[in-house]
Amino acid sequence: QVQLVESGGGVVQPGESLRLSCAASGLTFSSSAMHWVRQAPGKGLEWVAFIRYDGNDKSYVDSVKGRFTISRDNSKNTLFLQMDSLRPEDTAMYYCARSLTAYTEIDYWGQGTQVTVSS
Amino acid sequence: DIQMTQSPSSLSASVGDRVTITCRSSQSINTYLNWYQQRPGKVPKVLIYAASNLQSGVPSRFSGSGSGTDFTLTISNLQPEDFATYYCQQSYSTPLTFGGGAKVEIK
Repeated sequence: QVQLVESGGGVVQPGESLRLSCAASGLTFSSSAMHWVRQAPGKGLEWVAFIRYDGNDKSYVDSVKGRFTISRDNSKNTLFLQMDSLRPEDTAMYYCARSLTAYTEIDYWGQGTQVTVSS
Repeated sequence: DIQMTQSPSSLSASVGDRVTITCRSSQSINTYLNWYQQRPGKVPKVLIYAASNLQSGVPSRFSGSGSGTDFTLTISNLQPEDFATYYCQQSYSTPLTFGGGAKVEIK
């Protein structure tokens, strides 16, 4: 079965960095579009970033542009999110998610990793 | 960026009721509209894709309709396990965007 397992979350101070990872199995990772979606405590879903199957197309929500970088290693079936200059408003559960393309539904989600930014 | 607006943001209903949630996009998105269900403490799951297509394994009491800017999710014969929050999402263009959610509570 498909598994997306996130790791790398934690508690950091404003301005610090974190690198999230998502290990994928049970699917053809190298032909999958991948996303990061976050959810602040008690709030709705917010799409954060997308990367095309080959890594050659990326997109970000405005609030993280210039601070977050999405990447992937298809040889290791792993997705990454480098988060720099973290802010308190970045505090959320971060989900790794998959879709066939950027323009189709998200059909698989990980269980999430919690990121807390607090002084 | 395309804004997605859901209404109502919450509603109370009884088991057996028919529930309708609407989603409006700030510009036409054809049928690039997906619906997700998120139960408390759980991961979202897709119910409807491309506006009206039922995801495999999802009960037929869920249905979706619409195109352009106006969409609806209908739950007929509401069941106890349907009490959850429902989100629409446009996949027409990046940045992808979700609606604010519609929480369906027990009356």
